[in-house]
Amino acid sequence: GAVVSQHPSRVICKSGTSVKIECRSLDFQATTMFWYRQFPKKSLMLMATSNEGSKATYEQGVEKDKFLINHASLTLSTLTVTSAHPEDSSFYICSARDQEDEAFFGQGTRLTVV
Amino acid sequence: AQKVTQAQTEISVVEKEDVTLDCVYETRDTTYYLFWYKQPPSGELVFLIRRNSFDEQNEISGRYSWNFQKSTSSFNFTITASQVVDSAVYFCALEMWEGKLIFGQGTELSVKP
Repeated sequence: GAVVSQHPSRVICKSGTSVKIECRSLDFQATTMFWYRQFPKKSLMLMATSNEGSKATYEQGVEKDKFLINHASLTLSTLTVTSAHPEDSSFYICSARDQEDEAFFGQGTRLTVV
Repeated sequence: AQKVTQAQTEISVVEKEDVTLDCVYETRDTTYYLFWYKQPPSGELVFLIRRNSFDEQNEISGRYSWNFQKSTSSFNFTITASQVVDSAVYFCALEMWEGKLIFGQGTELSVKP
């Protein structure tokens, strides 16, 4: 199956700093990628839809200035958590759709803000 | 409204027991996809199955089987002869037409030796 690589897998950052998470489709082009967030012991919630070459579409309640998404190429989408605070600590996971509209997930990134 | 409900928050079984994880969904779409994913403690999502709404045939893959009942909007997952390695959180998900996934709350399965 197709491979989606997400990096880093774990990151610890200080409160107030920004963190960038990358999501790459390794063997296919993805015009659409999705970013999900998962709190401990909770379900995955869609944050935004990332479209190559256009602005991301954010779900209700997700701050677009807080969670910056860039999808500059057909194989890379990035999520930047700006001015991170402890409440942003979470598991972030991306998925990418291939040309047959199948979605493949990255390995996820566990963000801890201290 | 689109919704996925996994009523079982936690299930604990003893190895070799069969276990069924329930999933009920709501959608107004006539065409949709349903999924099951496994999430081990490491966090990654392991794809188990994708089912088209037009295909109501039950599916079996090794010890795993899925029962799709459109009439009751259910897509249940059964593990036969459970093993300790099956311990994980299992998510049922519904795909909306834009490709977004709506996940259920997840069922944490614990298989004890």
